[in-house]
Amino acid sequence: NAGVTQTPKFQVLKTGQSMTLQCAQDMNHEYMSWYRQDPGMGLRLIHYSVGAGITDQGEVPNGYNVSRSTTEDFPLRLLSAAPSQTSVYFCASSDQGGRYGYTFGSGTRLTVV
Amino acid sequence: SQKIEQNSEALNIQEGKTATLTCNYTNYSPAYLQWYRQDPGRGPVFLLLIRENEKEKRKERLKVTFDTTLKQSLFHITASQPADSATYLCALDRPERFGAGTRLTVKP
Repeated sequence: NAGVTQTPKFQVLKTGQSMTLQCAQDMNHEYMSWYRQDPGMGLRLIHYSVGAGITDQGEVPNGYNVSRSTTEDFPLRLLSAAPSQTSVYFCASSDQGGRYGYTFGSGTRLTVV
Repeated sequence: SQKIEQNSEALNIQEGKTATLTCNYTNYSPAYLQWYRQDPGRGPVFLLLIRENEKEKRKERLKVTFDTTLKQSLFHITASQPADSATYLCALDRPERFGAGTRLTVKP
């Protein structure tokens, strides 16, 4: 099925560990973005990309890295996990103009202990 | 700084009534505004997009208005059903900012 695929669905990390959250889309969308969702705070933009090779910071980029080597993939790297990064992470994509809204993945629930 | 606020954290209404959700923003002039539905444990699902030059947009039982003078969007669900119970999010255009959402409960 066409859409945005995120892996893993659940992850527990120890403080200081690093990991990569995977995101792939098969809709040939140029625009991709990562969010975290915390209770009462809504979705906050971490990083976004307007096309392969181009990334930029969102509202809460500290502690996260991204790269965009292909149109399809947009992985999010946690460099050194901290308990404050416990959250639900969503990846989304859209066409360049955003005319049809964003298509979201099903999310990754991350717990840092 | 840019802010987007959804006035009600939760809204309870009776089946068959019209639900009205509010989204206000400050320090920004968006080219468009979007509304999403989110069910527990799932990602948001796109519902409607309205552009700055559009006053109103409809899709089945959904209606969205956009007042750039008041810096406000209203989201209406007419003839509401228990299946409409979910959290509804509004979002400004890129780089996108989302409101915290309004949790709608429609009671039979």
